[in-house]
Amino acid sequence: DTAVSQTPKYLVTQMGNDKSIKCEQNLGHDTMYWYKQDSKKFLKIMFSYNNKELIINETVPNRFSPKSPDKAHLNLHINSLELGDSAVYFCASSQDRGQAAKNIQYFGAGTRLSVL
Amino acid sequence: GIQVEQSPPDLILQEGANSTLRCNFSDSVNNLQWFHQNPWGQLINLFYIPSGTKQNGRLSATTVATERYSLLYISSSQTTDSGVYFCAVIGEDSSYKLIFGSGTRLLVRP
Repeated sequence: DTAVSQTPKYLVTQMGNDKSIKCEQNLGHDTMYWYKQDSKKFLKIMFSYNNKELIINETVPNRFSPKSPDKAHLNLHINSLELGDSAVYFCASSQDRGQAAKNIQYFGAGTRLSVL
Repeated sequence: GIQVEQSPPDLILQEGANSTLRCNFSDSVNNLQWFHQNPWGQLINLFYIPSGTKQNGRLSATTVATERYSLLYISSSQTTDSGVYFCAVIGEDSSYKLIFGSGTRLLVRP
């Protein structure tokens, strides 16, 4: 069983469309994250949820909206897609061990988004 | 915020060779992880190592937190070791935010 699973793996869409990426983890973790990897392979955090509460909200356009229906799921919805949104988006999760900084983050396989 | 620098940016090895990858960070950290991104794009956890030394097969890692660096050693490299190796840290002032270095791109030739 895949620990952190994302769907879809590939997403090709036109500029201006709205799309969603889904993420589910079966590790029993209580913290989930979205990262963006650009064309130069640079990885940067976008959002993090802990027990369905938003705890990290980096400087990203408000066209990006995360939604966590429960602590095992964190979805990413993107409105009015732009060419610059093309990237690989990774979901991750970790277990809060009481000292949050000691969390080990586990990543999904990524969703490659191409905006045409 | 905390800065993470990795070196070298690119590395080409012949199969069987050994290598050392370096990660320098600009401030004290509570968390340091090494990842391997394989040619299929998957990010695989290698080590959680905020301090000390760990070994896992042909790979080992050492973090000297007081001197703000970590090293990843790959011995007897294989073609399957190819990919990008990332170091990522969480600074003492941030509980959840994992900051990534720019990676070392490794190519192991047969």
